[in-house]
Amino acid sequence: DTEVTQTPKHLVMGMTNKKSLKCEQHMGHRAMYWYKQKAKKPPELMFVYSYEKLSINESVPSRFSPECPNSSLLNLHLHALQPEDSALYLCASSQDWRGNQPQHFGDGTRLSIL
Amino acid sequence: AQKVTQAQTEISVVEKEDVTLDCVYETRDTTYYLFWYKQPPSGELVFLIRRNSFDEQNEISGRYSWNFQKSTSSFNFTITASQVVDSAVYFCALKGAFQGAQKLVFGQGTRLTINP
Repeated sequence: DTEVTQTPKHLVMGMTNKKSLKCEQHMGHRAMYWYKQKAKKPPELMFVYSYEKLSINESVPSRFSPECPNSSLLNLHLHALQPEDSALYLCASSQDWRGNQPQHFGDGTRLSIL
Repeated sequence: AQKVTQAQTEISVVEKEDVTLDCVYETRDTTYYLFWYKQPPSGELVFLIRRNSFDEQNEISGRYSWNFQKSTSSFNFTITASQVVDSAVYFCALKGAFQGAQKLVFGQGTRLTINP
């Protein structure tokens, strides 16, 4: 079982809906990440949180809004998404963003936009 | 800029064959870290191994082995006596110690299919 838990596992939403993806880890990691992965492609970094502060935003459209309520939780709020946003959304965490700490990934949320 | 190249898009072998997945990287950092991840159909990326640039020792873990060669900027992964459960997409990734230290740069991945 993965130590990074993502909910929901699957999500279907219309372009006018608002929904949130949730990610939780209890490994005491202080860096957390959101990635987007399209079929047959590697994960693409979206956001990095370090010590609960946003440190990287990879020019992600504002219809994606990340939030880190505490050191164990990471949310991704979705609003007015487009069909091309359909993808697997992966959350990851690492002890710190520095050095050789590996990132540990969750199972992902498979998002479909109708 | 940092870059990882996995030239093999797909590999298909019969069970019990040995298979090697290639990974070539580019970086200007003198200190960097290399990783391999496995992604089964379920979606989760499973961390397999980490290698520091200053440690060129090869590593073996059961049927898995990794060959790190700094001279050729390669970090290849070999599965010995492959099994059907090894079927997955495998990603090689690079992280610099300085430039882009917060980012993990992935290769395009190699889809490995082990046929019974």
